[in-house]
Amino acid sequence: EPEVTQTPSHQVTQMGQEVILRCVPISNHLYFYWYRQILGQKVEFLVSFYNNEISEKSEIFDDQFSVERPDGSNFTLKIRSTKLEDSAMYFCASGQTGGNQPQHFGDGTRLSIL
Amino acid sequence: QQQVKQSPQSLIVQKGGIPIINCAYENTAFDYFPWYQQFPGKGPALLIAIRPDVSEKKEGRFTISFNKSAKQFSLHIMDSQPGDSATYFCAVIQETSGSRLTFGEGTQLTVNP
Repeated sequence: EPEVTQTPSHQVTQMGQEVILRCVPISNHLYFYWYRQILGQKVEFLVSFYNNEISEKSEIFDDQFSVERPDGSNFTLKIRSTKLEDSAMYFCASGQTGGNQPQHFGDGTRLSIL
Repeated sequence: QQQVKQSPQSLIVQKGGIPIINCAYENTAFDYFPWYQQFPGKGPALLIAIRPDVSEKKEGRFTISFNKSAKQFSLHIMDSQPGDSATYFCAVIQETSGSRLTFGEGTQLTVNP
């Protein structure tokens, strides 16, 4: 069964450094998402991406965050200047269509900011 | 503003029991109600979902009951097994506002052998 793959599985970064989290969505999917989950808390929406542009973003997704689909397969989340509170699991998801259709999640990248 | 409230926070049942997890929502414009299952170290996986035009949906041992007037929906797991031990999240989508999933706080289910 096709799956969403994320790399790295664990990223440790010094506060203030830039970090890029990578995702390979399912190949025929057109909608892409990033969510995050702070340890012990619920999963929170960050951003959705369709047709090479952001379609929706949450209040968490401020100017330090950016997303990009640099080629036909990868989808990245960049955090420009990391803060301690950015430590979380970051999940990429993809969907064949938008709206009320299934979103398939990767296994996440654990980001630890020191 | 907490758009989805999930309970209980944790639940322990014996094998064969029927755990029930409840979610309540506020916005009547929500039109898609999925449940996700998450094992440690894994991402959430879609388990079952329902739309507001039906009151119940069953897939295998998993059933969603939906009460539109009460703005509540619940997940029932029939004949629960130790392998069902996981964290369960309800979620909602308002299709007309995009496709963001808004999750509940999660329920950690333990099924004892």
